[in-house]
Amino acid sequence: NAGVTQTPKFRILKIGQSMTLQCTQDMNHNYMYWYRQDPGMGLKLIYYSVGAGITDKGEVPNGYNVSRSTTEDFPLRLELAAPSQTSVYFCASTRGQNYGYTFGSGTRLTVV
Amino acid sequence: AQSVAQPEDQVNVAEGNPLTVKCTYSVSGNPYLFWYVQYPNRGLQFLLKYITGDNLVKGSYGFEAEFNKSQTSFHLKKPSALVSDSALYFCAVRDVGNTPLVFGKGTRLSVIA
Repeated sequence: NAGVTQTPKFRILKIGQSMTLQCTQDMNHNYMYWYRQDPGMGLKLIYYSVGAGITDKGEVPNGYNVSRSTTEDFPLRLELAAPSQTSVYFCASTRGQNYGYTFGSGTRLTVV
Repeated sequence: AQSVAQPEDQVNVAEGNPLTVKCTYSVSGNPYLFWYVQYPNRGLQFLLKYITGDNLVKGSYGFEAEFNKSQTSFHLKKPSALVSDSALYFCAVRDVGNTPLVFGKGTRLSVIA
């Protein structure tokens, strides 16, 4: 049981480049989330999805896009990367709102 | 909108002593409260939750938390700290409905041998 798998683990981007952070879960969870973690700031919600075909903005969605074409996959797209997007990105999933989240191991992104 | 506060950036405790990591929250309805732990270079791991029922909830690795509605608090506790408990701890809350969790800024726990 792999849980939540994120790729890549590390990435360095140049300003203005684009990339997709991949997130896959094998637990058949309907709910999936993208958070970013900055030192001393906790986790900020970027986007979330309550099921295939449904996505919604979180607290800090600017500069990002998501899609949810299948239950398993929830990729996060960065367009025109900026230094402010340097962060650690975590994907999470849950089978229901009364249950704990299962987190991936994270993607550390640096924009230079 | 819901919010959560962790008033201490750092908590230091000697091994074998009891530990407490503080959390207070604000929601419009009944709170759904969670604690997570993060070890270096890892994702967050679920420790315990309070949804309803007994105010004292027990979780993984000997941790427990006490829900106090009048003080809007959900402090994490452990009777006897271990060096291996040293990590970053996050409190999280959500309101009713399908709202995602809102996380605190985290408290770094250091257990000294």
